[in-house]
Amino acid sequence: AQRVTQPEKLLSVFKGAPVELKCNYSYSGSPELFWYVQYSRQRLQLLLRHISRESIKGFTADLNKGETSFHLKKPFAQEEDSAMYYCALSPGKETSGSRLTFGEGTQLTVNP
Amino acid sequence: NAGVMQNPRHLVRRRGQEARLRCSPMKGHSHVYWYRQLPEEGLKFMVYLQKENIIDESGMPKERFSAEFPKEGPSILRIQQVVRGDSAAYFCASSQRDPKAKTQYFGPGTRLLVL
Repeated sequence: AQRVTQPEKLLSVFKGAPVELKCNYSYSGSPELFWYVQYSRQRLQLLLRHISRESIKGFTADLNKGETSFHLKKPFAQEEDSAMYYCALSPGKETSGSRLTFGEGTQLTVNP
Repeated sequence: NAGVMQNPRHLVRRRGQEARLRCSPMKGHSHVYWYRQLPEEGLKFMVYLQKENIIDESGMPKERFSAEFPKEGPSILRIQQVVRGDSAAYFCASSQRDPKAKTQYFGPGTRLLVL
């Protein structure tokens, strides 16, 4: 069974501070991991995926297979980063076009 | 590209009525997924469809829920004889035919309220 855990429901930081949103997963194969973000009154949108190894809006996330984690990090948080963040897992290449398993989300608030 | 469209955005039903939720995928996308988000919870997978085929319905409740994605027209999630516990946000997502292109693009959701 696949499972995604985001231990923090709420996270509050000040502008300019580093931020880390935690995500742990359990899956027997080699999954693909994603971070989705939902800004207020907007639809869920993809922030980044681990296979791209890119930085979006200053955010990065590294897949740590040993610790089964995919934490999202940003060195200097901005007020516009305030949103709900969801970590999600999809089965790996062995499976085509399949379901996403989501964590319960972390509401990030960046205070001025 | 208008993105994934869902309608209605809000739906109010009384217990025992039927709810029909529609999803039009992005242009060129032939895979559709439905997810449900209960209050204070994350999104939970319900069903995965391709045109005229249900590929994975392991997340669908056994009764009252059905989904289709006909050759023409939007995907439909149908809930018969709704109960208060069906109140939730229902999200549709679509992806390309290429199985390697697993990025799912989400619609704005339909908020169902059962009175």
